[in-house]
Amino acid sequence: DAMVIQNPRYQVTQFGKPVTLSCSQTLNHNVMYWYQQKSSQAPKLLFHYYDKDFNNEADTPDNFQSRRPNTSFCFLDIRSPGLGDAAMYLCATSPQGGTGFEKLFFGSGTQLSVL
Amino acid sequence: SQQGEEDPQALSIQEGENATMNCSYKTSINNLQWYRQNSGRGLVHLILIRSNEREKHSGRLRVTLDTSKKSSSLLITASRAADTASYFCATVRPSDSWGKLQFGAGTQVVVTP
Repeated sequence: DAMVIQNPRYQVTQFGKPVTLSCSQTLNHNVMYWYQQKSSQAPKLLFHYYDKDFNNEADTPDNFQSRRPNTSFCFLDIRSPGLGDAAMYLCATSPQGGTGFEKLFFGSGTQLSVL
Repeated sequence: SQQGEEDPQALSIQEGENATMNCSYKTSINNLQWYRQNSGRGLVHLILIRSNEREKHSGRLRVTLDTSKKSSSLLITASRAADTASYFCATVRPSDSWGKLQFGAGTQVVVTP
């Protein structure tokens, strides 16, 4: 089945140690998103890619970076994780933007712990 | 800032009862969507209602939209234990028509057998 896959499901890192989270999709969608969701809070958009065009949200810290080497894969890099970066990180896709936008397809998320 | 605010924050009901949750938002929208999130998992799209629609049904789900009050409601009829999850409303503003969703903080629903 076509889907959005995130690896790993759980990631533990140390304070200040760089970490990379992965997302792949078999839906061939041209838009990919990264959301951060802290406990009992709304998902917060960090950035998105429309094809190869990277779009950063104004309040996303510089500590967060992203790469999209091809249509199928997208990575979230946290350069120096702090305790406040512990959260669920959700990858999502959509087939297009514009007035035809319908919905997002989410992966199962990666729960990041920072020790 | 959050576009949507949901009410109540938490809801506990028994199987067979109906569950109603509300969402209010601040600015004009293209559409409003509801998503479900099981504990520790990703979000799953449930239903979308456009700004020119007032009511929509999908199985046991009924969504209403009142653009004059900037509010929406989600009704789950004849709830089941498997409906236990958090439910989020999300809006798409005309300026974000490429696909940016503004999520509310969610309503946590617990359905006991």
